Amino acid sequence: GQQVMQIPQYQHVQEGEDFTTYCNSSTTLSNIQWYKQRPGGHPVFLIQLVKSGEVKKQKRLTFQFGEAKKNSSLHITATQTTDVGTYFCAGPRGGNEKLTFGTGTRLTIIP
Amino acid sequence: DVKVTQSSRYLVKRTGEKVFLECVQDMDHENMFWYRQDPGLGLRLIYFSYDVKMKEKGDIPEGYSVSREKKERFSLILESASTNQTSMYLCASSYLSGYTFGSGTRLTVV
Repeated sequence: GQQVMQIPQYQHVQEGEDFTTYCNSSTTLSNIQWYKQRPGGHPVFLIQLVKSGEVKKQKRLTFQFGEAKKNSSLHITATQTTDVGTYFCAGPRGGNEKLTFGTGTRLTIIP
Repeated sequence: DVKVTQSSRYLVKRTGEKVFLECVQDMDHENMFWYRQDPGLGLRLIYFSYDVKMKEKGDIPEGYSVSREKKERFSLILESASTNQTSMYLCASSYLSGYTFGSGTRLTVV
């Protein structure tokens, strides 16, 4: 079945450093979604990318969808303590908006 | 904003009990989902529903059933709770875009 892998599993950065997480799917995706889960919280939808090669920005966050629509990345510039959490990518599987979630990257910030 | 409400934040149940987890959404979404989240295993789909009384199994449906009698409510039922069902349970709803998750129910089966 479809697999969605993310690397790295964990990332510790100094506050102010950049952070990137990578997402790779075993199958071509019609779209890719990104979620953030704060410690003790629930996943919150961040963004959806649909087009091959698409790049979208949300303040310090930059999301990219690969040309082959099998990989994606999330880059955070100049991390802040509010960025702490686990970032998940997710790709559709079959119909009815079912998603396969990636394994997640847990970001911790060293003040 | 879409709101997805899960009835309990924390729940402790005994082995063999029948457990009901309730989820209500207020935006008339067609699709609703139940996931469980475990360390190292990520989010795994248990069941989903794409309309009233319509349901399909996800990846790990064993030991669970669901009910969707009304569009806004999707219930997860643990027929006979077991210790390996101790987990965080997340309900979500969606329509044409990203999921909105509830706050989750942390279930402990003792």
